[in-house]
Amino acid sequence: GQQVMQIPQYQHVQEGEDFTTYCNSSTTLSNIQWYKQRPGGHPVFLIQLVKSGEVKKQKRLTFQFGEAKKNSSLHITATQTTDVGTYFCAASGTYKYIFGTGTRLKVLA
Amino acid sequence: EAGVAQSPRYKIIEKRQSVAFWCNPISGHATLYWYQQILGQGPKLLIQFQNNGVVDDSQLPKDRFSAERLKGVDSTLKIQPAKLEDSAVYLCASSLTNEQYFGPGTRLTVT
Repeated sequence: GQQVMQIPQYQHVQEGEDFTTYCNSSTTLSNIQWYKQRPGGHPVFLIQLVKSGEVKKQKRLTFQFGEAKKNSSLHITATQTTDVGTYFCAASGTYKYIFGTGTRLKVLA
Repeated sequence: EAGVAQSPRYKIIEKRQSVAFWCNPISGHATLYWYQQILGQGPKLLIQFQNNGVVDDSQLPKDRFSAERLKGVDSTLKIQPAKLEDSAVYLCASSLTNEQYFGPGTRLTVT
């Protein structure tokens, strides 16, 4: 079955440093979504990528979808303490979404 | 716009007891999802409804879990009997297109 892996599992950064999390699928995806979950909270939708090679930006966040539509990345420039949380990718191969293992980000002030 | 509502927020039961969770999706959202999120893991889809029909329930342990969505609006998820490994947060989400809106979840502890 379809598997979705994220690396790294944990990342501690100093405030102001950059952060990147990678999402890899064993199968070709139709689209991929990214969610953020604050500690004790629920996942909140960030963005959806559909096209091969697509790049989208939201302020300090940059999302990429790989050319082969099997991987994706989320890059945060100049992290802030408000970026703390776990970032999940959710990959869709057919009609359902499989969530990745998540990357837990801690930002040290 | 009101968000996805879930109740109860917390539940503690003993193993072999039964429990039910309730979800009220955002008005007009045809798709409703139930996820199980074990501590430290990503949400795992249990069942997906489109209106009141089941789209996918391949990961629902049907010997103990059941779910229904009467009239295509509210939904309930039931576990009977519960096992220790069912301890998790049960998240309900709804969507109009693809973006999923999650409720606050129900934290279940099975002792």
